[in-house]
Amino acid sequence: AQTVTQSQPEMSVQEAETVTLSCTYDTSESDYYLFWYKQPPSRQMILVIRQEAYKQQNATENRFSVNFQKAAKSFSLKISDSQLGDAAMYFCAHITQGGSEKLVFGKGTKLTVNP
Amino acid sequence: DTEVTQTPKHLVMGMTNKKSLKCEQHMGHRAMYWYKQKAKKPPELMFVYSYEKLSINESVPSRFSPECPNSSLLNLHLHALQPEDSALYLCASSQQGLGLAGGFNTGELFFGEGSRLTVL
Repeated sequence: AQTVTQSQPEMSVQEAETVTLSCTYDTSESDYYLFWYKQPPSRQMILVIRQEAYKQQNATENRFSVNFQKAAKSFSLKISDSQLGDAAMYFCAHITQGGSEKLVFGKGTKLTVNP
Repeated sequence: DTEVTQTPKHLVMGMTNKKSLKCEQHMGHRAMYWYKQKAKKPPELMFVYSYEKLSINESVPSRFSPECPNSSLLNLHLHALQPEDSALYLCASSQQGLGLAGGFNTGELFFGEGSRLTVL
């Protein structure tokens, strides 16, 4: 069965600093996608960044980047130059090709950004 | 238009009421989803419609009844709910449908803001 584990229920960071959110996953499939979704308070969930498992290069989107370690089944999110608007719940998620094609979410990490 | 629109934003209903949640997208997406989310928890998948057909039902109680009238609309009909059904109900869509031969649902979902349901 696919599982996604986020071991940090809460994290905090000072504005303009860098923070890393951790995620590990488990799958027996070789072809899959990994995601970080952001859910601000009382606002809709949006995709932050996506990583294809077959790509060795780590995905980057502006201030957001990932550290994808396929052998270790690790997929951490780094937020650089943190801004107040980054405060949100962050969910790591995983989907496999050839499996149920259902997106599996981790339990989430609540990120607080301190001014 | 890159939005998924959900109505109503808030709904309060009694256990004997019948109500519906509505979801609309005009992005030409071929799969639409209902999720249930409790406070401080991840979304839990309820139903998936792919190409307007019910593709996944996560053993949801029959008091929740989904309907997909066309490729842009998704409804969730509610009847005889329990207080524990109070939650945020999220609708989402994805460009590709599920199980498409030669294709793959990449899992990029576009979410609405949700309908917050309170059952008294």
